[in-house]
This record gives sequence, structure tokens and C-alpha cells, in this order.
Amino acid sequence: SSELTQEPAVSVALGQTVTITCQGDSLRTFYASWYQQRPGQAPVLVIYNQNSRPSGIPDRFSASNSGYTSSLTITGAQAEDEADYYCNSRDNTDNPVVFGGGTKLTVL
Amino acid sequence: QVQLVQSEAEVKKPGASVKISCRASGYTFNKHAIHWVRQAPGQRLEWMGWMHAGSGNIKYSQSFQGRLTITRDTAASTVFMELNTLRPEDTAVYFCARDFYSGVPAAILDPWGQGTPVIVSS
Repeated sequence: SSELTQEPAVSVALGQTVTITCQGDSLRTFYASWYQQRPGQAPVLVIYNQNSRPSGIPDRFSASNSGYTSSLTITGAQAEDEADYYCNSRDNTDNPVVFGGGTKLTVL
Repeated sequence: QVQLVQSEAEVKKPGASVKISCRASGYTFNKHAIHWVRQAPGQRLEWMGWMHAGSGNIKYSQSFQGRLTITRDTAASTVFMELNTLRPEDTAVYFCARDFYSGVPAAILDPWGQGTPVIVSS
């Protein structure tokens, strides 16, 4: 089955911009979705369908796509953005849903 | 608002089975799929399977074929996940999540249930 690859950890200074990437074969065909997971909580959808945000998600969250890579950008990172971020997508293999390994974002 | 409420934590012995419920509210239950995802301590999210609540169409991850059963009670707007022949490595938090779109699952998961911890230990 396919896999999605993310950086294990990324850090950003408060108020600065940070980008987290997600790479995989499935992203040639399907858009990635992005989820924020704070410690001890369930994941929350922050980006879907290339660059759409669910209601209530701040507009400092955005995404872009190129080839096999999806990138999540947080413009003006806030302390509350410190969390784990996961990407996922549909897939055409026997396992139709795939997740990335997650990126731990630290806001300094 | 759309909400998924899961059953409480479970402690099981190796070889036993666990059945977790996920009760949906705030939307038309039979229009969306429900996914099951688990997360072992300190590990990544792992997709387990989905069931479309209306059609009953099911897809399981190859990793759980033969051990996983997803069912539904449409009258109670509830989906169930049963995992059998439990091993210590099945210790994890198990989440249900609704597929964002109605119809064919798009693997956009929103919202998620609160999670159900399962501990497998002798």
C-alpha cells in the first residue's frame, strides 16, 4: 500500500510562517486533507480539497499542492497552533485511505 | 451540530474481543460513511475501515482483514467496530469519524468522535 511521508518535527517562532509537507504517490491523483491534533484530543480537520477550510478554522491555515507533495502553511503561527499535524488522502490501492506519519509543530 | 459520541474505555485480555460504539447526531445518518481510525501510544493515525451508513458498503484495511467487523444500527444512528483476537499491540485509542461528503467516501474526516481507549493486557 502507499504511504505519505511528513517531517517528524518542525519548529517556528511565534508570529512567523511555517510550512509542513506531505509526500506520496496518492497525491498525484487525490488532494490531501490536513488535521491538527493537540495532546489528548481527537484530530480536527483544518484543510481539505486542495485549500478549503472548515468553518471555524482561522485563515492563517492554507495549503498548496504540486505533483506528489501537499504543503500546509501557517502564516503568523500562534501558541495554540502547537500540535501534531497529519495529512491523509484517498488511495487507489487495496487500502483506500492513507495517513502520513505526523509532524510535531513546536511554536517557540 | 454534527457530533459523534463513542463508548467508554475498555480493558481486555489477549485473545478477547472488543466492540466500540459510535453514536451520530446532528445530520442525516444514512447519507455519510463512518471511518474507524486508531492511534497507538505515541504513534501515527492508522486507518482501519469504513462503512457507508446508508448503503452498508464496507471497506477494511488489509492490516485488519479477518479480525475487524464494522456494523450499524440505523434506528439508533450508531456504528459499531469490533476487533477480535486482541493482542497487546492493539492497545490504542480508537476513533470514529464521519466522512465530510455524502455519498462515496472521500476520506475527508470531519468531525471525529472523542476516542475510546482500549488496553490489552494480561
